Amino acid sequence: AQKVTQAQTEISVVEKEDVTLDCVYETRDTTYYLFWYKQPPSGELVFLIRRNSFDEQNEISGRYSWNFQKSTSSFNFTITASQVVDSAVYFCALSEGETGNQFYFGTGTSLTVIP
Amino acid sequence: DAGITQSPRHKVTETGTPVTLRCHQTENHRYMYWYRQDPGHGLRLIHYSYGVKDTDKGEVSDGYSVSRSKTEDFLLTLESATSSQTSVYFCAISGREYGTSGTEQFFGPGTRLTVL
Repeated sequence: AQKVTQAQTEISVVEKEDVTLDCVYETRDTTYYLFWYKQPPSGELVFLIRRNSFDEQNEISGRYSWNFQKSTSSFNFTITASQVVDSAVYFCALSEGETGNQFYFGTGTSLTVIP
Repeated sequence: DAGITQSPRHKVTETGTPVTLRCHQTENHRYMYWYRQDPGHGLRLIHYSYGVKDTDKGEVSDGYSVSRSKTEDFLLTLESATSSQTSVYFCAISGREYGTSGTEQFFGPGTRLTVL
């Protein structure tokens, strides 16, 4: 079974629209970590955020915000006022337990921002 | 930049030939990883290392072997390449201390491997 599900394969939005990328995870551990990465068309993987299972506070960084809800096992990512430079594939990832070094990635959501 | 390089960046080879990919880091991170990225699958872990000469298998390790003889280098070897191993391979690093869990991974630029 997939530990991380990103049900949205592709999303297109018009510039300046808000967009939310969904991430649902599955784990039996009480200690775990969640991550988001961005992969622009150039191909590199860029770390965006890390969240541990004991911290459910939402986080905002500029136009980016993350909503972590343990009750629904979700860690969603919202981009406000999207820009063309946000066009990329976004991956959600999970690492579990005290070992916590093996990452499980979702299959990614390809976001296209249309000017 | 996390100081990670991969070589070669592109390689085309033929079925049945051995291939070695190299990951080199200058960050003194303890943990190193090899992933493959394929459409529809995201990134999948092949092997990882938690110290010099200490390695373990990931979810797609069949057909691959690794070696780590020093902190900064992690080698991925395809003993006899097959067309199903055509992919983009990423190296990643994390955690300077043993036992540090849940730290973010930093990725290299990737190697595009084509097996004909």
